[in-house]
Amino acid sequence: SQQGEEDPQALSIQEGENATMNCSYKTSINNLQWYRQNSGRGLVHLILIRSNEREKHSGRLRVTLDTSKKSSSLLITASRAADTASYFCATVKGYQKVTFGTGTKLQVIP
Amino acid sequence: DVKVTQSSRYLVKRTGEKVFLECVQDMDHENMFWYRQDPGLGLRLIYFSYDVKMKEKGDIPEGYSVSREKKERFSLILESASTNQTSMYLCASSYDRGAGYEQYFGPGTRLTVT
Repeated sequence: SQQGEEDPQALSIQEGENATMNCSYKTSINNLQWYRQNSGRGLVHLILIRSNEREKHSGRLRVTLDTSKKSSSLLITASRAADTASYFCATVKGYQKVTFGTGTKLQVIP
Repeated sequence: DVKVTQSSRYLVKRTGEKVFLECVQDMDHENMFWYRQDPGLGLRLIYFSYDVKMKEKGDIPEGYSVSREKKERFSLILESASTNQTSMYLCASSYDRGAGYEQYFGPGTRLTVT
């Protein structure tokens, strides 16, 4: 399985601080995606980075991808209480196959 | 806005019952997926479908079957529910047009088998 592994499993920070979570995977990929899940709800797509890209930004989100190390990181800057959620990386390889990691649970304390 | 809906948010069934979970998407997506989510295990793919009447097994298909008779609807069937199928079930859909397979998720169905 090329399931991604997020690190840390849980993260607690103060509002206004930056949050960084990491994802490692095992095999080559076409792209890597990050999703967010609020408690008891479905996942929402945040950002996609292709295997030939190294960095991507979207609002307060910054994603990096290092294919040589098979790892990615998601940075949320100036965090807000509303960012409290679980964050998952998902790797895409081949035809439609998307594999999700186990997630990082982020708590932002007001 | 893409909308993916699931027939129930919460469901309680007895061991041995046949269970149907329904998923409908309104954006003409080719691909549809069924996952289950368990604490510490993340999302695991049960089945996916890339066209009407087409299906592919995911990582954990045992004990499940699926049906896709219409493009917008993808059903997950538990032929004989067991307690180890108690879980959160998530349906998703995506385009098949080189968009990178970004997935749109439904709200989930929390199934309890007693």
